[in-house]
Amino acid sequence: SAVISQKPSRDICQRGTSLTIQCQVDSQVTMMFWYRQQPGQSLTLIATANQGSEATYESGFVIDKFPISRPNLTFSTLTVSNMSPEDSSIYLCSVAEGRNEQYFGPGTRLTVT
Amino acid sequence: AQSVTQLDSHVSVSEGTPVLLRCNYSSSYSPSLFWYVQHPNKGLQLLLKYTSAATLVKGINGFEAEFKKSETSFHLTKPSAHMSDAAEYFCALWGGSFKTIFGAGTRLFVKA
Repeated sequence: SAVISQKPSRDICQRGTSLTIQCQVDSQVTMMFWYRQQPGQSLTLIATANQGSEATYESGFVIDKFPISRPNLTFSTLTVSNMSPEDSSIYLCSVAEGRNEQYFGPGTRLTVT
Repeated sequence: AQSVTQLDSHVSVSEGTPVLLRCNYSSSYSPSLFWYVQHPNKGLQLLLKYTSAATLVKGINGFEAEFKKSETSFHLTKPSAHMSDAAEYFCALWGGSFKTIFGAGTRLFVKA
């Protein structure tokens, strides 16, 4: 199974600033995903990030707010731009090995003040 | 359209009694189904998965789930709850769109 690490594990940021979250996987994977988990809520898919192509965003999420990079098969970043308190969430990176195996990182807990 | 419905937002059991967390799904494709657990301030851990093999799936920590196509259900059970089982549980579906769709979650409380 893939082992995923995320940096930072948590952060407290001021509104109007941006935070870049890093996701590192210990093996090469084609499909990577970024999820948001708002307080007390389930997981919502932000975007799918495949290496060599633009990220595909879900309804309600836009590239200007959540730019994503995927420079290689083991790494991705998600930036939360121009933050507001509503962006306070856990952001999780995930990788998939086909339809039967999906693994999640430990998450980045973001608080925006 | 694909969806996952967890029928209970909260479930409370006494330690040593059975656990039942209910999940119904809707999918146009033959789905893969998962249960994940999330302990406070932790990431998601895969408990078990159904991928069109045996309909009764055994997972970690004594949990199991049964896939019932006729009822479009994938309920999670455990014969005897332990205090350490207290957590949030998510049912999830991987359908034909290469995305995982999560249910709203069920918080399990275990009383001593």
